[in-house]
Amino acid sequence: EVQLVESGGGLVQPGGSLRLSCAASGFTFSTYWMHWVRQAPGKGLVWVSRTNTDESNTRHADSVKGRFTISRDNAKNTLYLQMNSLRAEDTAVYYCARARAGGAFDIWGQGTMVTVSS
Amino acid sequence: QSALTQPASVSGSPGQSITISCTGTSSDIGGYDYVSWYQQHPGKAPKLMIYEVSNRPSGVSNRFSGSKSGNTASLTISGLQAEDEADYYCSSYTRSSTLELVFGGGTKLIVL
Repeated sequence: EVQLVESGGGLVQPGGSLRLSCAASGFTFSTYWMHWVRQAPGKGLVWVSRTNTDESNTRHADSVKGRFTISRDNAKNTLYLQMNSLRAEDTAVYYCARARAGGAFDIWGQGTMVTVSS
Repeated sequence: QSALTQPASVSGSPGQSITISCTGTSSDIGGYDYVSWYQQHPGKAPKLMIYEVSNRPSGVSNRFSGSKSGNTASLTISGLQAEDEADYYCSSYTRSSTLELVFGGGTKLIVL
């Protein structure tokens, strides 16, 4: 079965750090671009970050640039999001998603909740 | 970079057809044929319904169709069913310097 499973979310104080993981299975992970998308409680979807197949080309939304870093380990079939200097406005469910050609996200994880609060 | 503009809600009765619009600019929807639509039920992850404006992934009902004209994309659902009640989001690549991909604000579909 093709699936993505996120982990690593939780409660963190403002200014703190978290690393999210996204374990892929059922497909050749190393051949797909991967993304992170977040959704604040009761709000819409927001694109966060993207990596190409070998991490040589990554991109982040301006709202997280300099604080978040996307990475991947193709040997472990795992995508990561290192989140530093967290703010209350980063509170959201974070989804990892597989991108097909054209940028459509055809496989999504179940999401992991990140809460930034003192 | 503002989100793409969608109506907050649309409604229809079972068996009817509805259309959800998604308005952007020449820097996103108007500039690319990379519009996608997602369905999201409460507490669940989004599901891809349409990609590249009008293509359906395997397993998605042919009651769902997509189109684009200028800077506006549309999702049409025909033969509405109770299980179609969900939030729907459009997305597009963008030439913005601040984002790579932009989503719409979401539309709540209510099946009466």
